[in-house]
Amino acid sequence: EVQLVESGGGSVHPGRSLRLSCAASGFIFSDYNMNWVRQAPGKGLEWLSYISTSSSTIYYADSVRGRFTVSRDNAKNSLYLQMNSLRAEDTAVYYCARTRSGIFSWGQGTLVTVSS
Amino acid sequence: DIQMTQSPSSLSASVGDRVTITCQASQDIRKYLHWYQQKPGKAPKLLIYDASNLETGVPSRFSGSGSGTDFTFTISSLQPEDIATYYCQQYDNLFTFGPGTKVHIK
Repeated sequence: EVQLVESGGGSVHPGRSLRLSCAASGFIFSDYNMNWVRQAPGKGLEWLSYISTSSSTIYYADSVRGRFTVSRDNAKNSLYLQMNSLRAEDTAVYYCARTRSGIFSWGQGTLVTVSS
Repeated sequence: DIQMTQSPSSLSASVGDRVTITCQASQDIRKYLHWYQQKPGKAPKLLIYDASNLETGVPSRFSGSGSGTDFTFTISSLQPEDIATYYCQQYDNLFTFGPGTKVHIK
């Protein structure tokens, strides 16, 4: 069974940093491109970042470029999102998702709350 | 960047009604569009891939059509368990989700 389990969410003050992790199981992690997507409370889905299987290709949404960094460790079947200079508008549930043919398969999400 | 719009943003319909949601892309995305259903507190679930293909295990009352910039998602006979928010998503150039359509029961 495909499983993606996010962790590392929590409450943080504006301007601080947080690192999210996503543990993958039930599939060959190194065969899949991975992404981060977030959903602010009561809002829609926002794609944030893409990383290819070998980490050779990385993309970011304009809203997080320069503040967030995606990485992966295929040996540990893990995906990461380093989030710096957090803002109130970064408050959201963060999902990791694998993609193939543009289809997202999702974790259960982890909540990040940015508030003073 | 490719922008996606959806209409309506919400709708209310009776059980058994036909429900139609439209999704428009800001540029030609061929058939590179998927539809998801999201229920409160849950991750999205794929219903339709590549504009018109029904995902395995998804009831046949769900369907999709379109290509280029204009797409349609239909529930042929609304059921109580279909109460959810529906999103379109393009993957012609990176990824963009539509703003969602919230479906209520009248």
